[in-house]
Amino acid sequence: KAGVTQTPRYLIKTRGQQVTLSCSPISGHRSVSWYQQTPGQGLQFLFEYFSETQRNKGNFPGRFSGRQFSNSRSEMNVSTLELGDSALYLCASSLGLGTGGYGTEAFFGQGTRLTVV
Amino acid sequence: AQKVTQAQTEISVVEKGDVTLDCVYETRDTTYYLFWYKQPPSGELVFLIRRNSFDEQNEISGRYSRNFQKSTSSFNFTITASQVVDSAVYFCALSEAGSSYKLIFGSGTRLLVRP
Repeated sequence: KAGVTQTPRYLIKTRGQQVTLSCSPISGHRSVSWYQQTPGQGLQFLFEYFSETQRNKGNFPGRFSGRQFSNSRSEMNVSTLELGDSALYLCASSLGLGTGGYGTEAFFGQGTRLTVV
Repeated sequence: AQKVTQAQTEISVVEKGDVTLDCVYETRDTTYYLFWYKQPPSGELVFLIRRNSFDEQNEISGRYSRNFQKSTSSFNFTITASQVVDSAVYFCALSEAGSSYKLIFGSGTRLLVRP
């Protein structure tokens, strides 16, 4: 059974540009969550999508957005990139809504490492 | 407010030794879940162990065991007979019903297992 796939693995972008990251969840999983990992702030929740609808959102500016497609694949977009957006972006998929609730746990991809210069 | 604290920044242990990673959590929710994840250098977070707020028993799974103490809000994780491949960063995480079960992570503990 294939795991969570994130593409691309590495990205270098310039300040002011925008970027789109992709996540393919485990087959049959309907929930996709995104997390940002930085040395200073650690792991922080960005948002969760379930059945193509955003169900939960973290405390990030509107420059961070996402969407989910009917096949559960998800994309995350960051517009007007800032140096502080440099991070490892991790995607997690789970069978049900959320992580832990309803007997689910999250399975993570290897992440996309974004560097903003 | 919900919070997860991992006071140990880095731990070093000699191979085959036992090691315990500490985790203290704060929550007002009565329904919550606690997790331990491992992050090797490759980057992905690997699920290790989970505990429900209403589950009374402590669990042992192979070389991993968890010790949940509700009275002190602690959720410690022990690796017995550690191996070099256990070297990684370990994260404790909390998810609550009141927060739609998003994961709240601690700052992580870097474990180094020396041969």
